[in-house]
Amino acid sequence: DSGVTQTPKHLITATGQRVTLRCSPRSGDLSVYWYQQSLDQGLQFLIQYYNGEERAKGNILERFSAQQFPDLHSELNLSSLELGDSALYFCASSVRSGYGDTQYFGPGTRLTVL
Amino acid sequence: AQTVTQSQPEMSVQEAETVTLSCTYDTSESDYYLFWYKQPPSRQMILVIRQEAYKQQNATENRFSVNFQKAAKSFSLKISDSQLGDAAMYFCAYRSIFGNEKLTFGTGTRLTIIP
Repeated sequence: DSGVTQTPKHLITATGQRVTLRCSPRSGDLSVYWYQQSLDQGLQFLIQYYNGEERAKGNILERFSAQQFPDLHSELNLSSLELGDSALYFCASSVRSGYGDTQYFGPGTRLTVL
Repeated sequence: AQTVTQSQPEMSVQEAETVTLSCTYDTSESDYYLFWYKQPPSRQMILVIRQEAYKQQNATENRFSVNFQKAAKSFSLKISDSQLGDAAMYFCAYRSIFGNEKLTFGTGTRLTIIP
């Protein structure tokens, strides 16, 4: 158990819908990262937040957005869902930003878009 | 942009034997971090080992060790005394020291342990 929690574990929804994935980092971790794991794209970085502020962006679609709240939990919002958005979404956290701290991953949320 | 290549989609090893998983990467940076993550059937991503490029000594964690060849841009993972619980997908990952802290992953190697 990494100490990173993600809810829900599984999510099944229809095309065109909107969903929210939630992540709670390890106690004391200020940095949160979101990754997408799909069969065709592999593991890809989406976005990073540090202490409430966006720190870096990766291959995140405009239909996707994220935020980190004052209690440091983070949410990833996916809208206008398409079949291709079906994937495993991971959240990871690290203590700081800019110091090479190891990223610890949560168990993931499996999203299925029908 | 950095790339990570794992050329072995699948590997198998007899229980108690030793296996080496390969990873190469491409970068123009002189300092960086390298990682091996394990993803068992539960899908959880578990850190196996990390290596700082500025350290010449190869990292070791119990039965897991790496062979880091900086000039060749090679970062292989050796698993000794393989156990059934080692069966998983193994991902090699790269991270820059400066700038974007994202992990860039390879495509993974599926390791099967033969009893």
